[in-house]
Amino acid sequence: GDSVTQMEGPVTLSEEAFLTINCTYTATGYPSLFWYVQYPGEGLQLLLKATKADDKGSNKGFEATYRKETTSFHLEKGSVQVSDSAVYFCALRMDSSYKLIFGSGTRLLVRP
Amino acid sequence: DARVTQTPRDKVTEMGQEVTMRCQPILGHNTVFWYRQTMMQGLELLAYFRNRAPLDDSGMPKDRFSAEMPDATLATLKIQPSEPRDSAVYFCASGLVLAGVNETQYFGPGTRLLVL
Repeated sequence: GDSVTQMEGPVTLSEEAFLTINCTYTATGYPSLFWYVQYPGEGLQLLLKATKADDKGSNKGFEATYRKETTSFHLEKGSVQVSDSAVYFCALRMDSSYKLIFGSGTRLLVRP
Repeated sequence: DARVTQTPRDKVTEMGQEVTMRCQPILGHNTVFWYRQTMMQGLELLAYFRNRAPLDDSGMPKDRFSAEMPDATLATLKIQPSEPRDSAVYFCASGLVLAGVNETQYFGPGTRLLVL
């Protein structure tokens, strides 16, 4: 079945470091891809999304490009801040479906 | 700034007690989702409503869980009787289906449930 695989955390970085969180997917068709962020004690918030191959989603300095050839949607940020510390979830949704299929989440800890 | 609200935010109860969690979706949204988050299982979809009708509750243990939408502004998730293994964070999310296209899901802050 359709699935999402994320790199295991936690990822610990110093402030202003470059961030990459890997995400790969398995799907029978061409899904829409999402990154959600969960700050401590809060619900998930949509960070960015891409709906077709080669699309780049971006928000708050974060970017991810939909790569069909490698079935990946890696999250990147050029310079992380302490306030970026959170859990990041990659997810997919097939166009005909309402279901979001989530990865297991990657915890990011940014130290001052 | 429209948001999904959930009550209570925290609930501690004893095994065997009934638990009711409430969710107010964003006004105008026509879909509601209930998720459960645990360390072991991650995020699991429990139930899905569209236009107040339950379309998918396959993720929900039928013997003790029930989900309803008595009106467009209220969704409830009930556990009776509760068990320690139900301890988790329960999230409600709402969204909009327009012309058959599923739009973004917006999550509430969650209800943290601890069953002793």
